[in-house]
Amino acid sequence: EDQVTQSPEALRLQEGESSSLNCSYTVSGLRGLFWYRQDPGKGPEFLFTLYSAGEEKEKERLKATLTKKESFLHITAPKPEDSATYLCAVQGGNNRKLIWGLGTSLAVNP
Amino acid sequence: KAGVTQTPRYLIKTRGQQVTLSCSPISGHRSVSWYQQTPGQGLQFLFEYFSETQRNKGNFPGRFSGRQFSNSRSEMNVSTLELGDSALYLCASSSAVNTEAFFGQGTRLTVV
Repeated sequence: EDQVTQSPEALRLQEGESSSLNCSYTVSGLRGLFWYRQDPGKGPEFLFTLYSAGEEKEKERLKATLTKKESFLHITAPKPEDSATYLCAVQGGNNRKLIWGLGTSLAVNP
Repeated sequence: KAGVTQTPRYLIKTRGQQVTLSCSPISGHRSVSWYQQTPGQGLQFLFEYFSETQRNKGNFPGRFSGRQFSNSRSEMNVSTLELGDSALYLCASSSAVNTEAFFGQGTRLTVV
């Protein structure tokens, strides 16, 4: 069964303290892995799509990487405005539905 | 470029009633998906429409239904509301089935 697990569930960082969020997945024939950011009471905001192991993408202080079993979202020198829930989703070959993780709630203290 | 628009933003209904939610996708996007989001379950897939045809369906009871119009706008309907249907309902649009999806702000449904 396709499955996505995100860890940790919650993470509290000091401003400038770099860290990584993990997204482990099992899926038959990965078509794509997606990272989103969600602020309270709002819809998820698209960040990255990764398609194959070894691929990396960057946007400002965020960098996403992908292996055959997991993806990491690296946050370098975070700022308070990076506080949000970060969601990971995968799309497999057998079923085009997106399978979502429960997210990592990130709080960055000034 | 206008984003995905969902209406209404907030809704309070009574058990047993029915509700219709609306979603206008990004101009040019033909794929629309609906999700239910609750704190304990995360994002749960309801259904996906592409060019007025339902392409995928999640594991929800038949009380949950949807449709897509020729202009790609979509509606979802929930009949015989239950307390457990209280959630944030999100609509997402994409240009094709396998590309990234862009979400609306959601409709917060409260069933009392």
